[in-house]
Amino acid sequence: AQSVTQLGSHVSVSEGALVLLRCNYSSSVPPYLFWYVQYPNQGLQLLLKYTSAATLVKGINGFEAEFKKSETSFHLTKPSAHMSDAAEYFCAVSDRYRQGAQKLVFGQGTRLTINP
Amino acid sequence: DAGITQSPRHKVTETGTPVTLRCHQTENHRYMYWYRQDPGHGLRLIHYSYGVKDTDKGEVSDGYSVSRSKTEDFLLTLESATSSQTSVYFCAISDATTAYEQYFGPGTRLTVT
Repeated sequence: AQSVTQLGSHVSVSEGALVLLRCNYSSSVPPYLFWYVQYPNQGLQLLLKYTSAATLVKGINGFEAEFKKSETSFHLTKPSAHMSDAAEYFCAVSDRYRQGAQKLVFGQGTRLTINP
Repeated sequence: DAGITQSPRHKVTETGTPVTLRCHQTENHRYMYWYRQDPGHGLRLIHYSYGVKDTDKGEVSDGYSVSRSKTEDFLLTLESATSSQTSVYFCAISDATTAYEQYFGPGTRLTVT
């Protein structure tokens, strides 16, 4: 079964600093990978996705992630943190279910705090 | 934003009572999913649907049932609610036109006392 591990349940950075959120996956085949963001009391919003095209994926709000097969990693980065980036971030891997349905397996989530 | 609504948004109920949560979409997407979110567990799939009257179990389906009689509605039922089912429930939709992206509703916070 596929699994996702997010290293660090809480990450705190200063405004303007680099954001790095770590995600490792286990998969026997090339996976589809996603990063979602959740703001307080809201649903999940897709930040970016990897579907076997370019290994460096750019998403919304200045975030990007790099797929590294040799390290089974898909870390999320942003060069300069903004106060509005404070949220919980989830990494997920996709697997096929019956009739083309997609099963998303989520990591435990990382809460990002931005210090002024 | 994808047209997904969930009702109710908040509910408090007593142990042993039946509860039904509703997910409604206006996107005409084929696939619908129910997840629960708990601290330290991320989101876990309860049930999913791949068409009207076509549903299947996810990884944490015990104690839950679902029904889909119309494309736009996907109901999640707790036949006899337990305290362990206190959680935030999210509905999601996807379709071939969205490739592998799932769009999530705003969630329902359920408390079982």
